[in-house]
Amino acid sequence: DAGVIQSPRHEVTEMGQEVTLRCKPISGHDYLFWYRQTMMRGLELLIYFNNNVPIDDSGMPEDRFSAKMPNASFSTLKIQPSEPRDSAVYFCASRVGNSPLHFGNGTRLTVT
Amino acid sequence: DQQVKQNSPSLSVQEGRISILNCDYTNSMFDYFLWYKKYPAEGPTFLISISSIKDKNEDGRFTVFLNKSAKHLSLHIVPSQPGDSAVYFCAAYGNNRLAFGKGNQVVVIP
Repeated sequence: DAGVIQSPRHEVTEMGQEVTLRCKPISGHDYLFWYRQTMMRGLELLIYFNNNVPIDDSGMPEDRFSAKMPNASFSTLKIQPSEPRDSAVYFCASRVGNSPLHFGNGTRLTVT
Repeated sequence: DQQVKQNSPSLSVQEGRISILNCDYTNSMFDYFLWYKKYPAEGPTFLISISSIKDKNEDGRFTVFLNKSAKHLSLHIVPSQPGDSAVYFCAAYGNNRLAFGKGNQVVVIP
């Protein structure tokens, strides 16, 4: 079990650039979640998928944020255009049924 | 609006003593509660959970207590070990959403 795999681990970009974060969930897990962690707000749910279908995207802060899950083994979170206030650690997590979430190691995003 | 609150953001405890972490929640729809542990540069990992039909769940050195009337839960770690030094997140599940607290930093002093 390789766990949830996120890439890149670190991303530094300039304001206005497009950023794409990637996630590979644990094989067999049917739920995938994207969270953002900041000092001010802690861990916030951005969006989650069930069987590759977006279920709740009410946490996505703005239209600049979008997420896709084209198949059961891959998801992306895209920010276009990026802004300095998007700087945070972004976590992907997956689970099967009602089991606890398994988190990836996160992507630390810095927008200058 | 923070529905899950963890006060006293940091805690230092001597090795071998008890660590107690507290968590309060506001939403009475929450019916399942979890604690996660996080080391630097890693994602949170699941530690222990409790259903709202119980008031205590124990797993080795870790015990979670739930007081539904007070909307309060706590995590006890005894005895504390240096490897327990981490950030601990309280989380509450309800309405198909999992809400997290901001975390407590625990430092266990050898």
